Amino acid sequence: DAMVIQNPRYQVTQFGKPVTLSCSQTLNHNVMYWYQQKSSQAPKLLFHYYDKDFNNEADTPDNFQSRRPNTSFCFLDIRSPGLGDAAMYLCATSSRGRNTEAFFGQGTRLTVV
Amino acid sequence: AQSVTQLGSHVSVSEGALVLLRCNYSSSVPPYLFWYVQYPNQGLQLLLKYTTGATLVKGINGFEAEFKKSETSFHLTKPSAHMSDAAEYFCAVIEGSGAGSYQLTFGKGTKLSVIP
Repeated sequence: DAMVIQNPRYQVTQFGKPVTLSCSQTLNHNVMYWYQQKSSQAPKLLFHYYDKDFNNEADTPDNFQSRRPNTSFCFLDIRSPGLGDAAMYLCATSSRGRNTEAFFGQGTRLTVV
Repeated sequence: AQSVTQLGSHVSVSEGALVLLRCNYSSSVPPYLFWYVQYPNQGLQLLLKYTTGATLVKGINGFEAEFKKSETSFHLTKPSAHMSDAAEYFCAVIEGSGAGSYQLTFGKGTKLSVIP
């Protein structure tokens, strides 16, 4: 029944070693989002895709990239993870329209060592 | 830009007591408002949403919220707290990017503790 699936749930990476987090959806939604959530903080939007159109938030570091090869999949690439990038990364999807809710995955907890 | 403010980063209630989590919004257009719940090491789950129509919105797990335009508020309530309600709660408003897609802007969250 899972509709937004994130893999892995927990990821440990070394300082400076590239890492990729994945997200897939079975909802056929147009929009996919990546949020970063640090401990005891609100989720912060990094970027989102509206179909194939990529929308980067102004304050998202260049270290973070994303790919959406098709409707179902979206990837978050962190090129050179720093200790400050340790966080929960949340993927979400929604359909078009202002009154539609966002569906979240379980998140990937990233640890940088 | 739209925003939400959640009053109280941490709220404690006794089991069976009323739950009241406060959220105020700022918006230049009629807001679409949401409450999400997050359990430890989990994603966010929608509790309820207000878009248009009835201002008292009922959600899952016995929660409800009332949109009050005059007070710019969207407080979340539950008549009787259960131990399983212990979680973090986020109020959110939806914003448009101007390109046809919309994204949520979250408040800072309120952590609810339920005391046996």
